[in-house]
Amino acid sequence: AQKVTQAQTEISVVEKEDVTLDCVYETRDTTYYLFWYKQPPSGELVFLIRRNSFDEQNEISGRYSWNFQKSTSSFNFTITASQVVDSAVYFCAYYRDDKIIFGKGTRLHILP
Amino acid sequence: DSGVTQTPKHLITATGQRVTLRCSPRSGDLSVYWYQQSLDQGLQFLIQYYNGEERAKGNILERFSAQQFPDLHSELNLSSLELGDSALYFCASSAHGLTIQETQYFGPGTRLLVL
Repeated sequence: AQKVTQAQTEISVVEKEDVTLDCVYETRDTTYYLFWYKQPPSGELVFLIRRNSFDEQNEISGRYSWNFQKSTSSFNFTITASQVVDSAVYFCAYYRDDKIIFGKGTRLHILP
Repeated sequence: DSGVTQTPKHLITATGQRVTLRCSPRSGDLSVYWYQQSLDQGLQFLIQYYNGEERAKGNILERFSAQQFPDLHSELNLSSLELGDSALYFCASSAHGLTIQETQYFGPGTRLLVL
């Protein structure tokens, strides 16, 4: 069965530091999708990125970047020059056959 | 504002009761998704509807059901409520599906408390 592990339950960094959130997944499938979502303290969920299993190119969006490595079944998320507004819970998710499985989330505290 | 609306924002009810949560997707979005977030179970996908038809089913209990109406709004019905059903229920919408290069937008959620 598929599984998503976010081993870091909680991380605290000082503003402007870089931080990487780890996501490791387990699957025997060759075709699947991976996602990252953000849940700020206000509670709403925000979709950040989708990556399909055939696209191992890293992606950068402003201060956010994602490193997908199929060989290690990881889809890590890095925030560069973190800001207080980045404080949130971040969820990694696996998707295939119309089913989505979420990791437990990593709570990120950015300290001013 | 994501454009996805959910009502009510909060709901307090008793065990054994039935409630209906409502979701209006973004204008033009055909897919609606329901998720449950609880302390015990974390974030779970419940069900997806696409243009009125059930598209995918996740960890949805038999006591729960959903539908999507011709105007594309969706309702999630929770019956025979138990204490463990207390959770935040999110609705999300997208133009089509999760495998297409499009963004998924979430509503603010309905917080359900079962006493």
